Formats: sequence, structure tokens, C-alpha cells
Amino acid sequence: KQEVTQIPAALSVPEGENLVLNCSFTDSAIYNLQWFRQDPGKGLTSLLLIQSSQREQTSGRLNASLDKSSGRSTLYIAASQPGDSATYLCAVGGSGGYNKLIFGAGTRLAVHP
Amino acid sequence: DTAVSQTPKYLVTQMGNDKSIKCEQNLGHDTMYWYKQDSKKFLKIMFSYNNKELIINETVPNRFSPKSPDKAHLNLHINSLELGDSAVYFCASSQDLGNSYEQYFGPGTRLTVT
Repeated sequence: KQEVTQIPAALSVPEGENLVLNCSFTDSAIYNLQWFRQDPGKGLTSLLLIQSSQREQTSGRLNASLDKSSGRSTLYIAASQPGDSATYLCAVGGSGGYNKLIFGAGTRLAVHP
Repeated sequence: DTAVSQTPKYLVTQMGNDKSIKCEQNLGHDTMYWYKQDSKKFLKIMFSYNNKELIINETVPNRFSPKSPDKAHLNLHINSLELGDSAVYFCASSQDLGNSYEQYFGPGTRLTVT
């Protein structure tokens, strides 16, 4: 059974810092990994999708890497801003087929001015 | 324009009632999903539909019945609501069933059962 763990559960940093969010999964037989952002009371916004054949994806200040063999992904946020404050969710897709996403519990990020 | 929309945004009801949540996507996607986010914030898949056909049913109680009248809509009907059904329900869609497709989520419906 696939399990997804995110560390740390919460993170508070001053503005401008570069930071890394970690995601690990127990079953390496995944097809993709998706990082989401969830703002309080809002839905999920897709940030990056990494296919199993890829090692990383970049979008603006965000970079996500994937190491299937070790069951790990990291989300790197460069030059953090207060607007980055949100919960970041990692989800692995494909376990059991049909693009079923298995989510981690998330990392709650607070970036203070 | 909202890509995936849900109504209502909030739903407060009493135990034993029957309620429905509606979801619509205007992305032209073939596959739609329902996820449940419980009080501990864990998101879990409940159902997925592809071209109006049920694909995934994650051992959800049969009090929950999804219905897809067309590709753009996936509604969730819940019978005999229980306290444990209180959660945020998210609808999502993707271009197709395949594992390479990104999923897009709606804003969620917060259901409170009293």
C-alpha cells in the first residue's frame, strides 16, 4: 500500500530564504508525482507535475526533483516571499492504475516579512 | 473563467438528511474525480469517472453515489448523512485517464453534519 510522507509538517522562515520541502513514498512504482499548493479555505493549485521518466521540473522560482529509486521528491523554493505562505501537498500518481493520486499530509509554510 | 467549479461552497445539514454536491469543468476533460479531505487534512480519492463511466470506487460507503450526466459534470449524492461525513469534498478533472495527465481541482465544498 502506497504511503506518502512529507517533512517537515510545518516551516516558518524569513522572507528571502531558499527552502526545501521533502516528500517520500513507499512504493517506487509510480507514474508521476504532482506538487500542489493549498491556501486556507481554498482548493488546490497544481504547481508542478513530474513524470516518472523525468528527474526534475522547473516553474519560475520552483524546482521539483524526483528520485524514484529512493522514493523521494523535493520541492525547492528560491527567494521565498510572504505570498508563498500556504500548505504544500505532494501526491503520487499511478499506484493501482488510472491516475489515482495518493496524497501526503502536507507542509504548512509561513514566510514572514 | 473558473476551470473546475463546485456548488455549494458550504453545506450545513443534519444527520440523516440527503444532500448533493455538484461539479462542473469547462476544460474539455474526459476524466473527473471526487476527493475527500478530512479534519486531519488528508486528501483521499473517492471516485473517478471517465466519459461518464465509473472507473475508481475506493470502498466508499454506498450511501455515496456519484452521477455523471455528461463528461463535464460529476455530481455527488450522499444519503443518510452521518457525523463522520463532515469534511471538505473536492472535485478534480484531468484530460484523460492516463497517468501522465495533470489533475485540476475545484475550490471544495465544506460539508458540516450536525
